[in-house]
Amino acid sequence: RKEVEQDPGPFNVPEGATVAFNCTYSNSASQSFFWYRQDCRKEPKLLMSVYSSGNEDGRFTAQLNRASQYISLLIRDSKLSDSATYLCVVNPDRGSTLGRLYFGRGTQLTVWP
Amino acid sequence: ETGVTQSPTHLIKTRGQQVTLRCSSQSGHNTVSWYQQALGQGPQFIFQYYREEENGRGNFPPRFSGLQFPNYSSELNVNALELDDSALYLCASSLEGLESTGELFFGEGSRLTVL
Repeated sequence: RKEVEQDPGPFNVPEGATVAFNCTYSNSASQSFFWYRQDCRKEPKLLMSVYSSGNEDGRFTAQLNRASQYISLLIRDSKLSDSATYLCVVNPDRGSTLGRLYFGRGTQLTVWP
Repeated sequence: ETGVTQSPTHLIKTRGQQVTLRCSSQSGHNTVSWYQQALGQGPQFIFQYYREEENGRGNFPPRFSGLQFPNYSSELNVNALELDDSALYLCASSLEGLESTGELFFGEGSRLTVL
């Protein structure tokens, strides 16, 4: 079983739509969680961290359910510029970059006019 | 821009050859991690260097090797290239310590094609 599982999509939505991505992780001891964004043929970039209480950054909302080992990302009022691949990332250690991060395979989003 | 630079950006090799990829980490960062990203997949951890020592290794064979220099830049070496080594190789730098946020900063990657 993979450490992080994501639906690869693709998700094709019109501008202004609300879209949600989910991922699950297998290691219940995992400590910190992130969503990274990767544009086509570019490097991944941090979109937002995911906190147990849930957190919001503008149109983006991330949720963590430790009991179900489930992470979600909600994008409201989608923009054309949101078109990208969204990577779910799990770190076994809190606040540390030592050791490996586990990446899901990514969920591809295309927002059309 | 993240301040992480990788070279070369693209290269083509044939099976059995050797390749060296280079990475300059962001100023002030002391940790470098290397990831392999095959087409349509998420990045897979190869290994990490912290203060010039290897600090963890993923499920990659010994023909994948690396090092970190005193200025925290790093190299990834792959010997006896195989077709399946074709991928985007990503270097990520980070700061490990009290000020760590847990975030990795990626370079734009080196795209390797093995024929």
